[in-house]
Amino acid sequence: QKEVEQDPGPLSVPEGAIVSLNCTYSNSAFQYFMWYRQYSRKGPELLMYTYSSGNKEDGRFTAQVDKSSKYISLFIRDSQPSDSATYLCAMRTNAGGTSYGKLTFGQGTILTVHP
Amino acid sequence: DTEVTQTPKHLVMGMTNKKSLKCEQHMGHRAMYWYKQKAKKPPELMFVYSYEKLSINESVPSRFSPECPNSSLLNLHLHALQPEDSALYLCASSRWVDQPQHFGDGTRLSIL
Repeated sequence: QKEVEQDPGPLSVPEGAIVSLNCTYSNSAFQYFMWYRQYSRKGPELLMYTYSSGNKEDGRFTAQVDKSSKYISLFIRDSQPSDSATYLCAMRTNAGGTSYGKLTFGQGTILTVHP
Repeated sequence: DTEVTQTPKHLVMGMTNKKSLKCEQHMGHRAMYWYKQKAKKPPELMFVYSYEKLSINESVPSRFSPECPNSSLLNLHLHALQPEDSALYLCASSRWVDQPQHFGDGTRLSIL
């Protein structure tokens, strides 16, 4: 079993829809959670960075963390064709030593928003 | 455009060549990273530098040799690569190793 599970999709939605992207994880030591967006032929772009359980909002994006269920989500409201990309969840522990700074990624979900 | 700049954007090399990838950031970040990403896969960590010192080497073959000459620059020296090393090589940086990482757009490497 992978430490982080993310449905690769692909996910196709109409413009204006609310998109829900999710990751589950098994390592309870994960404390910090990120969502990255990666366009084709580009590097991952940091969208959201969260630590505590609960919601964090930034414009049309809301990140949700439920540590008790080991489940994180990213919601995109009023989705646009420009949101079409691969979305990667990533997480890390608070451990030091050889794990320090190491991110564990999900497989990525391919999202297409069609006009 | 990202604040982490990688050059070249594309590189084609033979298995006997020696080449280098370059990464630069001017955000004052003291942690820098190399990742390898294959198509439709997430990035895989290769190396982590913290304050210009190598802190993590994820058992990467010796044909990949990282170098951090100063706090703004990170190089990846390549020698005698194999066709399976063809991938997108991403550089990232963060203020410190426990801070969010910011990626460059990568170098797309093809080994003939």
